[in-house]
Order: sequence, then C-alpha cells, then structure tokens
Amino acid sequence: EAQVTQNPRYLITVTGKKLTVTCSQNMNHEYMSWYRQDPGLGLRQIYYSMNVEVTDKGDVPEGYKVSRKEKRNFPLILESPSPNQTSLYFCASSLGPGKETQYFGPGTRLLVL
Amino acid sequence: DAKTTQPPSMDCAEGRAANLPCNHSTISGNEYVYWYRQIHSQGPQYIIHGLKNNETNEMASLIITEDRKSSTLILPHATLRDTAVYYCIVRVRYNFNKFYFGSGTKLNVKP
Repeated sequence: EAQVTQNPRYLITVTGKKLTVTCSQNMNHEYMSWYRQDPGLGLRQIYYSMNVEVTDKGDVPEGYKVSRKEKRNFPLILESPSPNQTSLYFCASSLGPGKETQYFGPGTRLLVL
Repeated sequence: DAKTTQPPSMDCAEGRAANLPCNHSTISGNEYVYWYRQIHSQGPQYIIHGLKNNETNEMASLIITEDRKSSTLILPHATLRDTAVYYCIVRVRYNFNKFYFGSGTKLNVKP
C-alpha cells in the first residue's frame, strides 16, 4: 500500500533532550516536506526537500534540522527541543515537478515539557 | 505564490451541495488553484486542482471564474464525513518551493 509513515505517533519529552521523528514513503517520491500545525496558526511548512541531499527552509525552520540521505526517508531532528515546539507534525511527499499532489503521513503529536 | 482568502466557516445540510469559495485576486497566469481538506487532525488530503478550466473528479468540482480571481469548490452531495477544514492554495506548478496552506474554511455538514 502506497503510504507515508511517521514514527513515533505520540511523544512526550523534556526540554533539551534531542529527538528525531522519522518519515518514510514507499512511492519513490522526489519531494518531501515537514509541517507543523498549531491551533489558530494552521499548517506551516518547516523544511522541504526536492531530492536526495537537496533541502531548503520553509516558513518556520528555527530549532529544526532535516536530512535527506535516501530518497524514501526524511527525518526531522530537534537538537534541543523547547516547549514552543509542542505541536502536531506532518510529513508529506509528492512525485515531482508537475505532480505536486502531496500525500500526508498520519501525524506525530509532540509534547515538550 | 498568490494569497488566498476563505471564509472561516460554513454550514451545509447533509445531501445538499456544498459550495466553498476562495478569493485569489492577485493570482498570476502560471499559478494553479489547489484544494486540500483535513478531517479532524488527520493529514491533509488532496481534492482537486485547476488552472483556468473547470475541473471535476470523483470527489468534487472546481469552478474558476473567467478572470481567475476566485474559485469555488463544489461537493455535490455533502455527507457528514465531508465535515473538515478545506484549504485553497494557489501556487506555481513545476515550482518546488514553499507550500502555503492558509487558515482554510471549516465546513460543518449537519444532518
């Protein structure tokens, strides 16, 4: 089944403890992206990647890192999480230029204490 | 990418057509109109997109005005499962850059 998977789905952590949220897609998509969603602020793009080793900042990249070493994986790294990064996170992928329909993962709820 | 304006919420009776408007008065000639929806806190789901001609698929129809400054997403027979936030997005196709979702319209389908 074609899908985008994220792990973990739920995470509670403490300030400053490094964490990684994994994202994987099995559709051979070139484009992958991370979003966060907060009440009243809607979906905001954190980082996106147009292909392996090609990443760029979205609207709210501060405090996050990403890497794209393989086409299928696009992990989101929080080196030193803070409470203002408590949010619902979505990973998405799409096929490539001209096929920008994005497929979203199920989301990861993160609580930083 | 052009900005979009949508009403924050709308109601629709079950079985009736839901017509969701979107204003994109600053749209440029090479920008497409995309519609996504998000049911509760699930990942957003693609619905439809178009450039200037009206489009229809198994989920919905997209009507774009002749001047392209506004569009309407039509769900022909709304069901309770169509209750969701609907996002209208305008962006250049073949341009792999930022993707702006905006705040969308919360559609409430009522029995």
